[in-house]
Amino acid sequence: EIVLTQSPGTLSLSPGDRATLSCRASQSISSGYVAWYRQKPGQSPTLLISDASTRAAGVPDRFSGSGSGTDFTLTISRLEPEDFAVYYCQQYGSMPASFGQGTKLDIK
Amino acid sequence: QVQLEQSGAEVKKPGSSVRVSCKASGDTSRSHTITWVRQAPGQGLEWMGRSIPSLGLQDYARKFQGRVTITADTPSSTVYMDLRGLTSADTAIYFCARSHDPSYGMDVWGRGTTVIVSS
Repeated sequence: EIVLTQSPGTLSLSPGDRATLSCRASQSISSGYVAWYRQKPGQSPTLLISDASTRAAGVPDRFSGSGSGTDFTLTISRLEPEDFAVYYCQQYGSMPASFGQGTKLDIK
Repeated sequence: QVQLEQSGAEVKKPGSSVRVSCKASGDTSRSHTITWVRQAPGQGLEWMGRSIPSLGLQDYARKFQGRVTITADTPSSTVYMDLRGLTSADTAIYFCARSHDPSYGMDVWGRGTTVIVSS
């Protein structure tokens, strides 16, 4: 079973800043099958990125994903107020799938 | 536009079982998957298992093997998640989520079903 470790646990930034979130896997993820989700308080998660770098429909272009093998990154180029939330990476290249423990992005 | 409608909140006794349903409406692709994810209070997301109804395939997290069963009723576009041997550690919000293809992330989520296990 692949274990995903996200860092940092909490990231304190200001609106307009650039955010870089990391997701490291315990073994290589087949075909780069990594997704990123944002979860706002009291809401269901929403898909941001699929296949490591493909933005989901309707996701603003300030969100970008990159990486391969065991190291993946979500970058938010200019933080908007609605971006302060918790972010999860997920791998679905190897069953069972798994999530990282999350990175909380809060306002500095 | 696909939507997922989940069944209502449940309160269960320790040792009992719970069934949560997830009904898909709208345009669904033939190869879509339905995944169950849970979130304990104040905790992160936990992948429980998935079903690919068109293939009759299920996968489960090792943690839940033998305790969870995911079944699909294709004619009604409903997927069920049964969890047995409930303990207080199973108190959580249970989400179903759809991927339009097994090689894609989960792009449609249900609103979640709260399950409380308490004596």
